[in-house]
Amino acid sequence: GENVEQHPSTLSVQEGDSAVIKCTYSDSASNYFPWYKQELGKRPQLIIDIRSNVGEKKDQRIAVTLNKTAKHFSLHITETQPEDSAVYFCAATISNSGYALNFGKGTSLLVTP
Amino acid sequence: NAGVTQTPKFQVLKTGQSMTLQCAQDMNHNSMYWYRQDPGMGLRLIYYSASEGTTDKGEVPNGYNVSRLNKREFSLRLESAAPSQTSVYFCASPRRGESAGELFFGEGSRLTVL
Repeated sequence: GENVEQHPSTLSVQEGDSAVIKCTYSDSASNYFPWYKQELGKRPQLIIDIRSNVGEKKDQRIAVTLNKTAKHFSLHITETQPEDSAVYFCAATISNSGYALNFGKGTSLLVTP
Repeated sequence: NAGVTQTPKFQVLKTGQSMTLQCAQDMNHNSMYWYRQDPGMGLRLIYYSASEGTTDKGEVPNGYNVSRLNKREFSLRLESAAPSQTSVYFCASPRRGESAGELFFGEGSRLTVL
């Protein structure tokens, strides 16, 4: 099936530094790209999303960029804080499957004080 | 307003036993989804239902069956559980409407098959 590749699988940064997580997708019909944050034992929760007609979107300390030609999108977290520590998942819509999402395997982010 | 409610939250089964995971959404949207989450594997789509009366296979449907009982409810059944089905199962439904894209997840059901 169509894949979403996510890198890195683990990321450790110091508080205040920036963190970048990158994803690539293969389904050229994908048109919606959300990012989810999952804390230990909790459900995944949406933190930011972007549609295929937009190249960049920002919400306070987090931003997402999309390059449709290259089929990759990235999550940028600036001024990281310990509470940003969690697993982050990128996703892309699966064509011809209702509005189902195909997820990357996740990035475990650790922000050390 | 719970959004998506899953039951049970925890379950331990023996190999070969059957069980049904229940999911209900109160957001009045058409589509519902079942995912499983395993360490290092992300979330993988098991089955989905684009509307009441329809169901379709996702990436990993083997060993599962589903029923879209009505617009609110979408159940996942394991007929003969296997240790490979030990996982956390999440039900999801759109939060803002199908075309908006965002999926809202239930709290998850942690299943262990011995």
